[in-house]
Amino acid sequence: AQRVTQPEKLLSVFKGAPVELKCNYSYSGSPELFWYVQYSRQRLQLLLRHISRESIKGFTADLNKGETSFHLKKPFAQEEDSAMYYCAPILTGGGNKLTFGTGTQLKVEL
Amino acid sequence: EAQVTQNPRYLITVTGKKLTVTCSQNMNHEYMSWYRQDPGLGLRQIYYSMNVEVTDKGDVPEGYKVSRKEKRNFPLILESPSPNQTSLYFCASSFGGSGTEAFFGQGTRLTVV
Repeated sequence: AQRVTQPEKLLSVFKGAPVELKCNYSYSGSPELFWYVQYSRQRLQLLLRHISRESIKGFTADLNKGETSFHLKKPFAQEEDSAMYYCAPILTGGGNKLTFGTGTQLKVEL
Repeated sequence: EAQVTQNPRYLITVTGKKLTVTCSQNMNHEYMSWYRQDPGLGLRQIYYSMNVEVTDKGDVPEGYKVSRKEKRNFPLILESPSPNQTSLYFCASSFGGSGTEAFFGQGTRLTVV
């Protein structure tokens, strides 16, 4: 069965500490992977996608096909990074059906 | 401004009273979908539509209906709401196809008493 797993419901780090939000997926095909973010009282928005290989707000995510992982990383957490983060694969040819993980709440403390 | 608009933002209703949550997008997107967000369960897809008059069930469709008569609108209908449908609902749209960004509405917080 297709599944995406975000093992941590809550991740609390201090400002300036490195951050890694874990995402593992199990798909039979080749998914495209995204990270979406939801800041407090705001709508979900795209943070980054793996095909772009970009860094957004200091975040990067590398697709590891061997480990079927797409962890989100940032070397130095900022207070404004506090938000809910969702990993979301789309199975290619699946009609753009986004399947979200259960999300990880990131809390950056001063 | 390109956006997805949901109405209402907040709704408290009683069990069994039919309601409709509207969703409209102005980006000419083919693909639209509805999600519900519950603590510990993340976002789960209720229904989606790949184009006008084409809709299909998502992961949790029970108790919901949708229609797609126009490209821009994708209303979510609860014919007989029950307390277990108390949730935060999001509508999303995209151009469809792999790798395209989904745009979300601001959410509708529904409470069924």
